Amino acid sequence: DGGITQSPKYLFRKEGQNVTLSCEQNLNHDAMYWYRQDPGQGLRLIYYSQIVNDFQKGDIAEGYSVSREKKESFPLTVTSAQKNPTAFYLCASSLGQGRNTEAFFGQGTRLTVV
Amino acid sequence: QKEVEQDPGPLSVPEGAIVSLNCTYSNSAFQYFMWYRQYSRKGPELLMYTYSSGNKEDGRFTAQVDKSSKYISLFIRDSQPSDSATYLCAMESGGYQKVTFGTGTKLQVIP
Repeated sequence: DGGITQSPKYLFRKEGQNVTLSCEQNLNHDAMYWYRQDPGQGLRLIYYSQIVNDFQKGDIAEGYSVSREKKESFPLTVTSAQKNPTAFYLCASSLGQGRNTEAFFGQGTRLTVV
Repeated sequence: QKEVEQDPGPLSVPEGAIVSLNCTYSNSAFQYFMWYRQYSRKGPELLMYTYSSGNKEDGRFTAQVDKSSKYISLFIRDSQPSDSATYLCAMESGGYQKVTFGTGTKLQVIP
C-alpha cells in the first residue's frame, strides 16, 4: 500500500537531548514537509523540501534540523535548542513541482519532554 | 491579523443536520483551496480541493469559494456521527509556495 509512515507514534525526550523523528513515503512524491500542531494554533510549517538534497526553512525552523538524502525519507531532528518541543508533529508529502494542493499526511508523532 | 481565520468551535449538531464550516482569508494571491478532516490523534486527510469560485460537490460534501469576499465554506449534508472530527481549511497561491492552514473547527455530530 502506498502511503507515508511516521515513527515512532509516541516519543519522550529528556531536557537537553536531541531526538530524530522518522518520515518515509513510497508515493514517489518530490515534495515533503514537516508541520507542528499545537492546540488552537493549527499546523505550522517547520521545514519543507521540494527535491532531494534541498530544503527550506518554514515559519518556525529554529531549534529543528532536517536532511533529504533520499527521495523517500525526510527525517526531522528536534534539538536541545528548541525551547518548547512538546507537540504533535506531522509529516506530509505531495507531488511537488508546483502541485502541492494534494498533500498526504502521516499519522503523526507525539513528542513529550519529560 | 492571520492570513487565514477559522472559528475553532466546538460545533455540536444533531445527526442528519446540515453543517456549515467557514474560513476567511486576507491574501488575495491564494488560488487553491482545500479542506482536510482530522480525527483525534491522527493525521489530516484531504477531503476536497478547488481552485475556482463557485461550488464543488462530492457526495455529502460541498466546497464553496467566494474569491471576491475572500470566504470559503464546506457544507456537510445529512451529517453522521462518523463526521465528528476537526476540519481544517488550507490555501495556497500556487507555484512553489507553501500551504497555509486554518486553526481547524472541531465538529461533533450527536446521534
